[in-house]
Amino acid sequence: NAGVTQTPKFQVLKTGQSMTLQCAQDMNHNSMYWYRQDPGMGLRLIYYSASEGTTDKGEVPNGYNVSRLNKREFSLRLESAAPSQTSVYFCASSARQGRGEKLFFGSGTQLSVL
Amino acid sequence: GESVGLHLPTLSVQEGDNSIINCAYSNSASDYFIWYKQESGKGPQFIIDIRSNMDKRQGQRVTVLLNKTVKHLSLQIAATQPGDSAVYFCAETYGQNFVFGPGTRLSVLP
Repeated sequence: NAGVTQTPKFQVLKTGQSMTLQCAQDMNHNSMYWYRQDPGMGLRLIYYSASEGTTDKGEVPNGYNVSRLNKREFSLRLESAAPSQTSVYFCASSARQGRGEKLFFGSGTQLSVL
Repeated sequence: GESVGLHLPTLSVQEGDNSIINCAYSNSASDYFIWYKQESGKGPQFIIDIRSNMDKRQGQRVTVLLNKTVKHLSLQIAATQPGDSAVYFCAETYGQNFVFGPGTRLSVLP
């Protein structure tokens, strides 16, 4: 049982390049999330999808776009990467959105923008 | 939780001793809390959760205590082992999403 799978694990981009981070979950969860983690800071929510067909902005959405491709997959796109987007990105899922729902995380993508 | 800038607070504990990791949460309306463990290069892993109608919850070698009066959460790890070395952080929920603390690094000394 893989849980939440993210690809790639590492990526280096030049300023202005674009890329898509992929995420898939096999737990039949309704809700999926993208977070970024910066040194010394808590995880910050970029975008989330409460259910298939819906997406909403989180705390730090600027510079990102998302696509909920189907119930399993939720991708994060950087259209024009900036050094400020250097971070570790985590995808997560939960059975549904709301109180009392545990988040299950992928292993992360370490992104460096030069 | 408080911002600690670039450097996480570190707790160093002797192997076999008990560890207590603390977390101050921000919103008195938060009603669900989770502790996560994050090992180097890995994603956060669920340890234990507690709802606001409880003061204490126990798992295997771990106990979470909730003090709503002072908005404080603690994680106790009994008989700390080398495999417990990681960053631990708490998360609170109010509304629809989680708010995560910056974490505490637990270092287990041989």
